[in-house]
Amino acid sequence: NAGVTQTPKFQVLKTGQSMTLQCAQDMNHNSMYWYRQDPGMGLRLIYYSASEGTTDKGEVPNGYNVSRLNKREFSLRLESAAPSQTSVYFCASSPGAGEAFFGQGTRLTVV
Amino acid sequence: DQQVKQNSPSLSVQEGRISILNCDYTNSMFDYFLWYKKYPAEGPTFLISISSIKDKNEDGRFTVFLNKSAKHLSLHIVPSQPGDSAVYFCAASPQSRGTYKYIFGTGTRLKVLA
Repeated sequence: NAGVTQTPKFQVLKTGQSMTLQCAQDMNHNSMYWYRQDPGMGLRLIYYSASEGTTDKGEVPNGYNVSRLNKREFSLRLESAAPSQTSVYFCASSPGAGEAFFGQGTRLTVV
Repeated sequence: DQQVKQNSPSLSVQEGRISILNCDYTNSMFDYFLWYKKYPAEGPTFLISISSIKDKNEDGRFTVFLNKSAKHLSLHIVPSQPGDSAVYFCAASPQSRGTYKYIFGTGTRLKVLA
């Protein structure tokens, strides 16, 4: 049972480059989330999707876009990467009540 | 403005003793609270939760207490074990669009000394 799968696990980008972080869950969950973790800042919510077809901003949405492609997949796009977006990114899913389940994370470095 | 606060960045406890991790929140609309544990290079894993209609929830060695009037929750680990050494995050959730929106604190690094 894979749970929440994120790709890639590691990525180095140059400033100004774009990329998409992929996330897929196999638990038939309605809700999906993207977080970033920075030292001393905890986990901060970037965007979330309550259900297929809806997306909403979280605490730190600037510089990011998301797509809820279908019930399984929720992608995060950086259109023009900046050094301030260097972070560890986590995708999560939840059934809408109860706890969220997290992926293993994507470590992104922007140089 | 940080809505969920963990004011202790780190905590060291002797094996076998009680670990108490604290969390404060500011938003009275939060109605579901969770604790997560995180090891390095892994995603957070769920530990225990509590609904706002309760003031205590137990699961084995882990107990979460909620004081709504003080907007404070705590996680008690008894007895503490070296394998409990990790970063612990509390999270609070308001309902939004029929789902939970999890807002996390900054984490407390627990070290259990053998």
